[in-house]
Amino acid sequence: GEDVEQSLFLSVREGDSSVINCTYTDSSSTYLYWYKQEPGAGLQLLTYIFSNMDMKQDQRLTVLLNKKDKHLSLRIADTQTGDSAIYFCAETRTGGGNKLTFGTGTQLKVEL
Amino acid sequence: ETGVTQTPRHLVMGMTNKKSLKCEQHLGHNAMYWYKQSAKKPLELMFVYNFKEQTENNSVPSRFSPECPNSSHLFLHLHTLQPEDSALYLCASSLLEGPREQYFGPGTRLTVT
Repeated sequence: GEDVEQSLFLSVREGDSSVINCTYTDSSSTYLYWYKQEPGAGLQLLTYIFSNMDMKQDQRLTVLLNKKDKHLSLRIADTQTGDSAIYFCAETRTGGGNKLTFGTGTQLKVEL
Repeated sequence: ETGVTQTPRHLVMGMTNKKSLKCEQHLGHNAMYWYKQSAKKPLELMFVYNFKEQTENNSVPSRFSPECPNSSHLFLHLHTLQPEDSALYLCASSLLEGPREQYFGPGTRLTVT
């Protein structure tokens, strides 16, 4: 399959944790990535995880990968207003070369 | 300059114009990409260049013509565009080894009138 799916919207209160979810259908994924896009800007790489890993932590960001369920999540601890953006997950696949398949993006809104 | 730069940042052109978008990467990468991002649609890969050679053309209409003179520069030549071509055009670059994570430029916001 070709789909990488994300929920469209997520709203959280400042200081809470945010969890953005992503599901994919192709079991040949090699690397999975999270990108952030602020209004009027390009995509900023946040982090990536190799498909044989379960978890990766980088400061306020925690990536969890459940390869059996083909589920990827990004947890942002202590969410701030500056975290408001669209978050994209993406994957590369075995045999896909350097081509990235992107999800549809999740709009995160952080409220005071 | 660091990272990936794109010029111009904004472009308004008529359907009969010819214009070019420019992308430059300062990361020592050997692959470059053009993407189209339209409202309410997933990011669309247009072209891929590995070591200056085009390796992917994702069924892009011929009114979009890419050029990659070296591993650091990528152009997208535009002619006789349609209003539905209005979008954010993003350039990215990566290495061809390891995680191959792509780094993006800020994009060119194109409006075709």
